Amino acid sequence: KQEVTQIPAALSVPEGENLVLNCSFTDSAIYNLQWFRQDPGKGLTSLLLIQSSQREQTSGRLNASLDKSSGRSTLYIAASQPGDSATYLCAVGGGSQGNLIFGKGTKLSVKP
Amino acid sequence: DGGITQSPKYLFRKEGQNVTLSCEQNLNHDAMYWYRQDPGQGLRLIYYSQIVNDFQKGDIAEGYSVSREKKESFPLTVTSAQKNPTAFYLCASSSGQRLADQETQYFGPGTRLLVL
Repeated sequence: KQEVTQIPAALSVPEGENLVLNCSFTDSAIYNLQWFRQDPGKGLTSLLLIQSSQREQTSGRLNASLDKSSGRSTLYIAASQPGDSATYLCAVGGGSQGNLIFGKGTKLSVKP
Repeated sequence: DGGITQSPKYLFRKEGQNVTLSCEQNLNHDAMYWYRQDPGQGLRLIYYSQIVNDFQKGDIAEGYSVSREKKESFPLTVTSAQKNPTAFYLCASSSGQRLADQETQYFGPGTRLLVL
């Protein structure tokens, strides 16, 4: 059974720092991996989608990498801003039911 | 505007009552999903539907029911059999019926269900 783990559970950094969020998964047979952002009491916003054949995806200050063989993905956020404060969720696609399997998230706080 | 809408934003359920959460999408997506989110937990799949008039149980389907009579709509009913319904419920959709076609999942704003 696929399990997704995100480390750390919470992270607090000063504004301007570059940071890395980690995601690991136990079964490398995935179709894709997605990173989401969730603000308190809100739905999820998709940040980046990496297909299984890809190694990384970039959008603005965000860069996500995927290493299927080792079961790892990282989300790199450059020059962090207070507006980046949110919970970041990693999810792998390709469960037996076609659904996403989610990690518990990393709660990021960027201090001005 | 294309997107997914969920209503209501907050819903209160009395003991023994069935309640229905609405999910509508105008993205022309084939697949729709219902997830439950509890504090400190990842999202867990309740039900999913990859095509109209067909749906499948997820990991935690007990105490819930769904229907998919229209492509745009995937309502979730929380029945009295669900003993711990207090949670944040999220609906999502994606294009592609086949597992290999799974693209980005788009999420609605969620419904918070509370028990009176």
